[in-house]
Amino acid sequence: NAGVTQTPKFRVLKTGQSMTLLCAQDMNHEYMYWYRQDPGMGLRLIHYSVGEGTTAKGEVPDGYNVSRLKKQNFLLGLESAAPSQTSVYFCASSSPGTGGIYEQYFGPGTRLTVT
Amino acid sequence: GEDVEQSLFLSVREGDSSVINCTYTDSSSTYLYWYKQEPGAGLQLLTYIFSNMDMKQDQRLTVLLNKKDKHLSLRIADTQTGDSAIYFCAEAQDTGRRALTFGSGTRLQVQP
Repeated sequence: NAGVTQTPKFRVLKTGQSMTLLCAQDMNHEYMYWYRQDPGMGLRLIHYSVGEGTTAKGEVPDGYNVSRLKKQNFLLGLESAAPSQTSVYFCASSSPGTGGIYEQYFGPGTRLTVT
Repeated sequence: GEDVEQSLFLSVREGDSSVINCTYTDSSSTYLYWYKQEPGAGLQLLTYIFSNMDMKQDQRLTVLLNKKDKHLSLRIADTQTGDSAIYFCAEAQDTGRRALTFGSGTRLQVQP
């Protein structure tokens, strides 16, 4: 049981390049999330999914797209990377727990630098 | 609106108690969480409290909730060097997306 895994762990992009971050979970969770973490700003929600085939925008969706073709995978795409997207990206998953607890399980993160 | 605030830094000596504070603004929050992030790692759930509770104790951790002031605190008793990390409080509303709103994190430094 690997939990939540993210690929890659590190990446350096040039401005204008594209890439896809992959998140996979083996806990059969319905909900999946992409956050970005910037110094002094905590985590901000980019996009999320409440089930296979569904996605929705979070607080900071501009410049990103997502897809949830399979329940266990949630992909985050950057079509044309910008320096402002330099950040650490975290994927998380959750499923309704006992008493409605919304505990989220996090992956180890992807550190992305855009030059 | 949703806003969660924390102080940025706390330094304590090993063996002392640590108290990390958090304020939130959304009175409809149903659950409040404390997460721990060690260097280079993702976030790990430490504990949580339901909004109709005032206090929750879990081994060395005590969570206090003051709903009137929208204030949440995490007390770590007998703080150890292994407790050095960033601590995030987060709130959840009972909405369909079940997403969390995080504070900016408090870096706890434990000095030997």
